Amino acid sequence: DTAVSQTPKYLVTQMGNDKSIKCEQNLGHDTMYWYKQDSKKFLKIMFSYNNKELIINETVPNRFSPKSPDKAHLNLHINSLELGDSAVYFCASSQAPSRGGQQFFGPGTRLTVL
Amino acid sequence: GENVEQHPSTLSVQEGDSAVIKCTYSDSASNYFPWYKQELGKGPQLIIDIRSNVGEKKDQRIAVTLNKTAKHFSLHITETQPEDSAVYFCAAYGQNFVFGPGTRLSVLP
Repeated sequence: DTAVSQTPKYLVTQMGNDKSIKCEQNLGHDTMYWYKQDSKKFLKIMFSYNNKELIINETVPNRFSPKSPDKAHLNLHINSLELGDSAVYFCASSQAPSRGGQQFFGPGTRLTVL
Repeated sequence: GENVEQHPSTLSVQEGDSAVIKCTYSDSASNYFPWYKQELGKGPQLIIDIRSNVGEKKDQRIAVTLNKTAKHFSLHITETQPEDSAVYFCAAYGQNFVFGPGTRLSVLP
């Protein structure tokens, strides 16, 4: 069974469109994350949710809006896509962050904005 | 905020040799230091981690050392194999996870 899954794996879209990426984890973790990995492989945290509540929101444009319907899901919605949004987006989950719980990453979604 | 540096950015070794990747962090409150391996087209995978109350941890061919005073930690891979070729990331956790920029390791047969 896949621990952290993301859909879609690839997403190609035009500038200005709105798109969503879905993430699900079956590990029973309380905390979920979204990361952005650029073309130089830099991994940067975007959001962190603990028990469906936002606990980290780095300097990410308002066009990005995470939604957590329950502890097992954290979806990422992006409005008015821009060329600079092209990257690989990773979802991850972990146990309590205060204890530095081990993170498990999904396979990634490669977003290409044309 | 936390800043994590990682060196070298690329590393090539002969199969069977050892590889060492070093990281430094800035926030003395950071207390958890994981290492990840990322293969092409896949997500990062945790390979070993260490907490601030431990100086060294080993798992088969992989070991991690932590020097809290100097705020640096290192990944050691012994008897490298071609399948060890990947990008390796260190990270530090204080208030959130901050990743180093990565090291591309190539193990030459």
